[in-house]
Amino acid sequence: GEDVEQSLFLSVREGDSSVINCTYTDSSSTYLYWYKQEPGAGLQLLTYIFSNMDMKQDQRLTVLLNKKDKHLSLRIADTQTGDSAIYFCAESSSGYSTLTFGKGTMLLVSP
Amino acid sequence: GAVVSQHPSRVICKSGTSVKIECRSLDFQATTMFWYRQFPKQSLMLMATSNEGSKATYEQGVEKDKFLINHASLTLSTLTVASAHPEDSSFYICSARDRGSGGNTIYFGEGSWLTVV
Repeated sequence: GEDVEQSLFLSVREGDSSVINCTYTDSSSTYLYWYKQEPGAGLQLLTYIFSNMDMKQDQRLTVLLNKKDKHLSLRIADTQTGDSAIYFCAESSSGYSTLTFGKGTMLLVSP
Repeated sequence: GAVVSQHPSRVICKSGTSVKIECRSLDFQATTMFWYRQFPKQSLMLMATSNEGSKATYEQGVEKDKFLINHASLTLSTLTVASAHPEDSSFYICSARDRGSGGNTIYFGEGSWLTVV
């Protein structure tokens, strides 16, 4: 079955860039998502990318996709303490299938 | 942006009673809604997929008679935990697929904390 892997923890200093990595196994993945979850809250959709794209930028967020290596990354520029949260990578093979989630990466931003 | 609202955000119920959680898409029509359960410090576990006007599709191991899902309209799905027990205590999150986006945008609710005492 499909599998999505993420590193579990990342610690950065405020103002630095953060890069959260994700790998997936399903070669038919069409949509790849990044969600943010703050403690005790639901998931906030940050961004998503289609598999025919290499990069997508949205303000401080940059998503890079290497489809050959099935590798997805989320770069957060000028990381702030408010960015501390768990970040989930997810994939879906079509616009109508379920999402497969990674286990989440806890980002801790220190002042 | 699109909003998915869950209610209640927190509920405490006695063992043996039933509790209903609502999931609403506030500014879009949802072809499909999903219900997840999340244990502390773990990822989301998909429980069931809810399609408007039809029966929900449950994941393996999820008791359909215990977790009753009703998707009455394109903006509302409900999860009823029947005869709840302490082991059902968890964080339940719904998500909704935005039909207007071609189906590829999925938004999540804020989650509902259920504590069964």
